Amino acid sequence: DAGVTQSPTHLIKTRGQHVTLRCSPISGHKSVSWYQQVLGQGPQFIFQYYEKEERGRGNFPDRFSARQFPNYSSELNVNALLLGDSALYLCASSAAGGSTDTQYFGPGTRLTVL
Amino acid sequence: ILNVEQSPQSLHVQEGDSTNFTCSFPSSNFYALHWYRWETAKSPEALFVMTLNGDEKKKGRISATLNTKEGYSYLYIKGSQPEDSATYLCAFVRNQFYFGTGTSLTVIP
Repeated sequence: DAGVTQSPTHLIKTRGQHVTLRCSPISGHKSVSWYQQVLGQGPQFIFQYYEKEERGRGNFPDRFSARQFPNYSSELNVNALLLGDSALYLCASSAAGGSTDTQYFGPGTRLTVL
Repeated sequence: ILNVEQSPQSLHVQEGDSTNFTCSFPSSNFYALHWYRWETAKSPEALFVMTLNGDEKKKGRISATLNTKEGYSYLYIKGSQPEDSATYLCAFVRNQFYFGTGTSLTVIP
């Protein structure tokens, strides 16, 4: 079975641009979560979606948005990119998004903002 | 701001040594604690989901314990091998996942 997949693997953008990151969950999983990981820190929660509805949002500005599609794949959008948005963006899927559900992570998208 | 702390930040051990590290979290409103292993250039891999005070989980040479009353969890690796080299992350779950900064383990052959 395929694991969680993310695209693209790497991305270079300039300040002020917009970026869209994509995630496909494990087949049968209905919850997708997004995390930002900056070097030297643990992953920071951005969003969780379950059954196409936003279930949770972390402490990130409105420049960050996401959505989940009927096939449970998800997109993370970041507008007006800042240098500080440079990070590894991880997507994780779980069966139902509960606190005891195991999360399975994708390989991440490395975003560099110049 | 909810604080999840892991110690030590990094650790170098000889092959065959046993080691352990700590994850500290708030002792109130506990829902679950997750442990992950994150090898370089790979995805974080789930190790354990712990939910009850006194929980002990084991997977091969790796085991974990949980104390929700005092707010800590220990991860133990018995007889470390070079393939155990990775960053070990814990995540405290309340309304969202709160990750610690991880413990970087290097096992020297």
